[in-house]
Amino acid sequence: EDQVTQSPEALRLQEGESSSLNCSYTVSGLRGLFWYRQDPGKGPEFLFTLYSAGEEKEKERLKATLTKKESFLHITAPKPEDSATYLCAVQASGLRTGANNLFFGTGTRLTVIP
Amino acid sequence: ETGVTQTPRHLVMGMTNKKSLKCEQHLGHNAMYWYKQSAKKPLELMFVYSLEERVENNSVPSRFSPECPNSSHLFLHLHTLQPEDSALYLCASSRQQGAGANVLTFGAGSRLTVL
Repeated sequence: EDQVTQSPEALRLQEGESSSLNCSYTVSGLRGLFWYRQDPGKGPEFLFTLYSAGEEKEKERLKATLTKKESFLHITAPKPEDSATYLCAVQASGLRTGANNLFFGTGTRLTVIP
Repeated sequence: ETGVTQTPRHLVMGMTNKKSLKCEQHLGHNAMYWYKQSAKKPLELMFVYSLEERVENNSVPSRFSPECPNSSHLFLHLHTLQPEDSALYLCASSRQQGAGANVLTFGAGSRLTVL
């Protein structure tokens, strides 16, 4: 069964304290793994797409990595403005229409304390 | 306007009311989606309109009815809802790229409360 599990559910960091968020997945053929950021009262905002094991992408203080079973979102020296919920989603191959084979995790709620 | 716009942002309705949620995208995308977001649950796909074809999640109750008059507009008609339908309803759009991975652009959501 295709599924996505994110951990931890919530994470509190001091400003400048680096850490990582985990996204474990099982899917019958990976088409892509996505990271989104969601602020309170807003919709998810796209961050990264990763396609194959070993791939890495960076944006400011965020770096996403991918293996065959999981992805990590590394946050280096976070700032309070990085506080948000981070969602992971996995798109499985095989079906013609994209989003009915897109599986989301429940997210990690990150709080960065000044 | 740019991006994906949803109205209303907040809606309170009784179980016997009929209301509609509206979504509009200005990105030139050719696929539009409705998702339901409930606390501590993954985003749940409700409906997809892609290249004039509709795909739906069979577990969505018939009290939710989508309408997509063109590639830029999407509606979700609501009638005889239940309190458990209270949630954030997200609209999204994407460019269908065949076998490629589809990046979704989301609207800000419509927060629905059913009394």
